[in-house]
Amino acid sequence: AQSVTQPDIHITVSEGASLELRCNYSYGATPYLFWYVQSPGQGLQLLLKYFSGDTLVQGIKGFEAEFKRSQSSFNLRKPSVHWSDAAEYFCAVGPSQGGSEKLVFGKGTKLTVNP
Amino acid sequence: NAGVTQTPKFRILKIGQSMTLQCAQDMNHNYMYWYRQDPGMGLKLIYYSVGAGITDKGEVPNGYNVSRSTTEDFPLRLELAAPSQTSVYFCASSYPMNSPLHFGNGTRLTVT
Repeated sequence: AQSVTQPDIHITVSEGASLELRCNYSYGATPYLFWYVQSPGQGLQLLLKYFSGDTLVQGIKGFEAEFKRSQSSFNLRKPSVHWSDAAEYFCAVGPSQGGSEKLVFGKGTKLTVNP
Repeated sequence: NAGVTQTPKFRILKIGQSMTLQCAQDMNHNYMYWYRQDPGMGLKLIYYSVGAGITDKGEVPNGYNVSRSTTEDFPLRLELAAPSQTSVYFCASSYPMNSPLHFGNGTRLTVT
């Protein structure tokens, strides 16, 4: 069965610092991978997705993620964090064959940004 | 363009009461989903639908029911509310085959 692990429950960074949020997945074939962001009181919003091709994926709000098959990872990065990036971030994995009903979410990483 | 609209935003229920959480989307998406989000647990799929008249169970369907009479609407019904159903409920919609999900802003439900 597929699974997603986000090892960090809570991360605190200073504004302007770089950010990396970790995501490891378990899946037998090439997965579809997503990062979503949830601001307080809001629903989830798609940041970026990886289906195939270039393993470095660019998303909205200056985020990027790199798919590393050998490490079963899909870490999210941002070179310089803004105070508005404070939110909870969810990694999700789905099968390349099948629908979004099979999407599995990680438990999330809450990001706090210090001024 | 409203996207996915959920009502109500908040609700408090007594044990044993029933209620319907409403969800509507205006993007003509065939696929719709109901998730619950509990602190530190991520999102769990309750029910989903691939089109009008078609629904199926997700990972945690017990205690819930759904219907899909139109493409736009996908209500979630709680028949006998229990404290274990205290959660934040999110409705989402998408095109088929691993298309990104579009989420509503959620309904925060407390059962006491």
